[in-house]
Amino acid sequence: GENVEQHPSTLSVQEGDSAVIKCTYSDSASNYFPWYKQELGKRPQLIIDIRSNVGEKKDQRIAVTLNKTAKHFSLHITETQPEDSAVYFCAASKTGNQFYFGTGTSLTVIP
Amino acid sequence: DSGVTQTPKHLITATGQRVTLRCSPRSGDLSVYWYQQSLDQGLQFLIQYYNGEERAKGNILERFSAQQFPDLHSELNLSSLELGDSALYFCASSVARGRFEKLFFGSGTQLSVL
Repeated sequence: GENVEQHPSTLSVQEGDSAVIKCTYSDSASNYFPWYKQELGKRPQLIIDIRSNVGEKKDQRIAVTLNKTAKHFSLHITETQPEDSAVYFCAASKTGNQFYFGTGTSLTVIP
Repeated sequence: DSGVTQTPKHLITATGQRVTLRCSPRSGDLSVYWYQQSLDQGLQFLIQYYNGEERAKGNILERFSAQQFPDLHSELNLSSLELGDSALYFCASSVARGRFEKLFFGSGTQLSVL
């Protein structure tokens, strides 16, 4: 099956700085890559996703990039704010309905 | 509120026991997924059902089983419980009519095996 690796496991940034989380996947047939944010004690929620026919997608302060050749994708958060503090999970899917998640990145934004 | 309902929120039981976790998907969603979240292992995919039929199976132990009923709610049964089964169990649902699905998660069931 698919294997998704996510780095770093923890990340601390100063408020206003950028944060980058990277994921790699093993199955070249994977074609959909969502990112989920899980705040402390809450459920994971989708924040952005990208399909394999797109190299980059932006939504306000959040962007995701995809390199199919290298089989890696990244989440970029600019101008970080304290409310961005959470655990972020990347995922890969090749059928659209089998999601394999990374191990998560705990992001702390220091005011 | 995602619209996915999980019960109970918390469950405390002893080793060797059996428990049932329940999930009601969002209205209109045909697919239900179960995930196990341990402290150091992220979200582990257990099993997926689509419209009552098993569609995909992940790292689900033989002691665990699940089903999806005609009204589309799902139950995850965990038996012969061990200490290591203590985890947060999430259910998620999706429409499952296209290739690029969005998962909506419930609030989870925190299982503690003592």
